[in-house]
Amino acid sequence: AQKITQTQPGMFVQEKEAVTLDCTYDTSDQSYGLFWYKQPSSGEMIFLIYQGSYDEQNATEGRYSLNFQKARKSANLVISASQLGDSAMYFCAMRPVPLNTGTASKLTFGTGTRLQVTL
Amino acid sequence: EPEVTQTPSHQVTQMGQEVILRCVPISNHLYFYWYRQILGQKVEFLVSFYNNEISEKSEIFDDQFSVERPDGSNFTLKIRSTKLEDSAMYFCASSRLRTDTQYFGPGTRLTVL
Repeated sequence: AQKITQTQPGMFVQEKEAVTLDCTYDTSDQSYGLFWYKQPSSGEMIFLIYQGSYDEQNATEGRYSLNFQKARKSANLVISASQLGDSAMYFCAMRPVPLNTGTASKLTFGTGTRLQVTL
Repeated sequence: EPEVTQTPSHQVTQMGQEVILRCVPISNHLYFYWYRQILGQKVEFLVSFYNNEISEKSEIFDDQFSVERPDGSNFTLKIRSTKLEDSAMYFCASSRLRTDTQYFGPGTRLTVL
C-alpha cells in the first residue's frame, strides 16, 4: 500500500517569494512516480510536475521544482516567485509502476496544502 | 491542447435515483480512471479501466457503481441508486500509457438530496 503525507494544512507566502510545500511518502514499490497537482477554487485538478523514482535529477517545470530526496522519502514542491494566481490547494500524489503491462496505475493522494499568496 | 472533458458540470439528484456521469478522455489515451473528492477531503481512487475492462477498483466502488466505454470516445460512470454520501466531486482522468501522467477533467459536482 502507498501513503502520502502532507503535514501543512495551510501556508502563506508573500508575492514574489519562494515557498516549499512538504510531501513525504511511504511505499514498498521499487519503481514509482510522484506528482503534484494544483486545485484552484474553481475545482479542477491541474497537473504541475512529475518525478520518477529512478530520475537522478530533480524535476523542474517553469517556476515549479520538485525537491526529491529518495532516502528520506520526500518530494517537496518548491514554487519560486509566487504569484497571486498560485493561491490554491496543492496535492501530492504517487502511483506505482505496475509489473503487469495491462494494469492501469492508480494515484494515491495526500490531504493537500492550501496555499495563500499575499501582497 | 487536448483535454479531458466532463458533463454535466453539476448534477443534482434525489436519493435512490440513478445518475450517469460522462467523460471524454484525451483521444489517444488508453487508460481511464474515475476519482472522487468529498468536499474538503482528499481525492480518492474509484476505478481504472483499460482495454474495455476494469483494471482495478477500490472498496468504494461497490455494486452500485459501474463504468462503461460505450463508444470510441466516451467513458461513463453510473451510480445505480444514489445515497447522500455519494455527494462529491467526481473526476475523470486519462493517461496515454500506464506510467504516464494522468490528466484530469474539470469534474462533475454531484449533489444527492
